Amino acid sequence: GQQVMQIPQYQHVQEGEDFTTYCNSSTTLSNIQWYKQRPGGHPVFLIQLVKSGEVKKQKRLTFQFGEAKKNSSLHITATQTTDVGTYFCAGPQGGKLIFGQGTELSVKP
Amino acid sequence: DARVTQTPRHKVTEMGQEVTMRCQPILGHNTVFWYRQTMMQGLELLAYFRNRAPLDDSGMPKDRFSAEMPDATLATLKIQPSEPRDSAVYFCASGLSQDLYSNQPQHFGDGTRLSIL
Repeated sequence: GQQVMQIPQYQHVQEGEDFTTYCNSSTTLSNIQWYKQRPGGHPVFLIQLVKSGEVKKQKRLTFQFGEAKKNSSLHITATQTTDVGTYFCAGPQGGKLIFGQGTELSVKP
Repeated sequence: DARVTQTPRHKVTEMGQEVTMRCQPILGHNTVFWYRQTMMQGLELLAYFRNRAPLDDSGMPKDRFSAEMPDATLATLKIQPSEPRDSAVYFCASGLSQDLYSNQPQHFGDGTRLSIL
């Protein structure tokens, strides 16, 4: 079945450093979604990418969807302690989503 | 802000007991998803409904788990009998889909933190 893989599993950065997480699918995706889960919280929808090669920005967060629509990335510029949490990508399979394992980001002040 | 409401927030019970978790989706949403989250397995889809009809429960252990939507405002997930390996956080999420294959953003509840002793 379809698999969605994320790397790295963990990332520890100093505040102010950049951070990137990568998402790869075993199949071509019609779209991809990104979620953030704060420690002790629930996943919160961040964004959906639909078009091949699409790039979207939300303040310091930049999301990209690959040309082949099989991979995606989330880049955070100049991390802050408020960025701490686990970032998930999710790809559709029929009417449901297949979530990656997530990348847990910790930020040292 | 509209939100998905889950009860209880926490549940501790002994092995063999029945556990019922409830979810009130966002008003107007027509899809409901049940997930289980553990450190080892991550976020696993257990079951989901569209317009109250169960569409996929392949992720759910059939012998002890059951999921229902008695009406549009309530979804339930039951475990009977419960086992220690069921200890996890159970999330409900809802969304609004136009058809069977569209994937709209999912809105998650705060989860039920379940511990089976």
